[in-house]
Amino acid sequence: AQTVTQSQPEMSVQEAETVTLSCTYDTSESNYYLFWYKQPPSRQMILVIRQEAYKQQNATENRFSVNFQKAAKSFSLKISDSQLGDTAMYFCAFMRTNSGYALNFGKGTSLLVTP
Amino acid sequence: DAEITQSPRHKITETGRQVTLACHQTWNHNNMFWYRQDLGHGLRLIHYSYGVHDTNKGEVSDGYSVSRSNTEDLPLTLESAASSQTSVYFCASSAGHPYGYTFGSGTRLTVV
Repeated sequence: AQTVTQSQPEMSVQEAETVTLSCTYDTSESNYYLFWYKQPPSRQMILVIRQEAYKQQNATENRFSVNFQKAAKSFSLKISDSQLGDTAMYFCAFMRTNSGYALNFGKGTSLLVTP
Repeated sequence: DAEITQSPRHKITETGRQVTLACHQTWNHNNMFWYRQDLGHGLRLIHYSYGVHDTNKGEVSDGYSVSRSNTEDLPLTLESAASSQTSVYFCASSAGHPYGYTFGSGTRLTVV
């Protein structure tokens, strides 16, 4: 199975600041999909952003953007202008394109946004 | 609006009992999944299905089973509950590539 590694178990950032969450993965495939999910204290899993590996351009969704470095197998999430509502667990996930639709998740990064 | 619902939201059961967690989706997705979430492990795949009568084992399938008799439902059964199965369980569905998952709100199961 593909390995997804999130090396930062916990992070903290002040409101209005920018924070970057790291994710690396291991695969021998050339095409795949990468995702970031947010899990606030409510427990609901929310899709934040998606990246298709064959696209060079980094995905962006409002204050959330990714830095996708395919050669380095890195997929970091940048949150700009952090808000208190961004406090959550964030999961990086990998999906193959040639064998089913199962998502392989990292262990997560707990982000705390402080006033 | 389409949705995916899990029930119950919380459950306490005794060791050795059979337990079934329900998952129902109205997205008309062929692909459905069960994960468990444990601190320090993230989400791990238990079972998945790509259509009616199709079921497959994930990485942590021991002690669990699923059946798919229609598109909407994928119930997860713990044959004989064990304390190691105390966890939060998530059901999800997907339309396939390039989409991600839509998740249910989870079931917190405690085995005492």
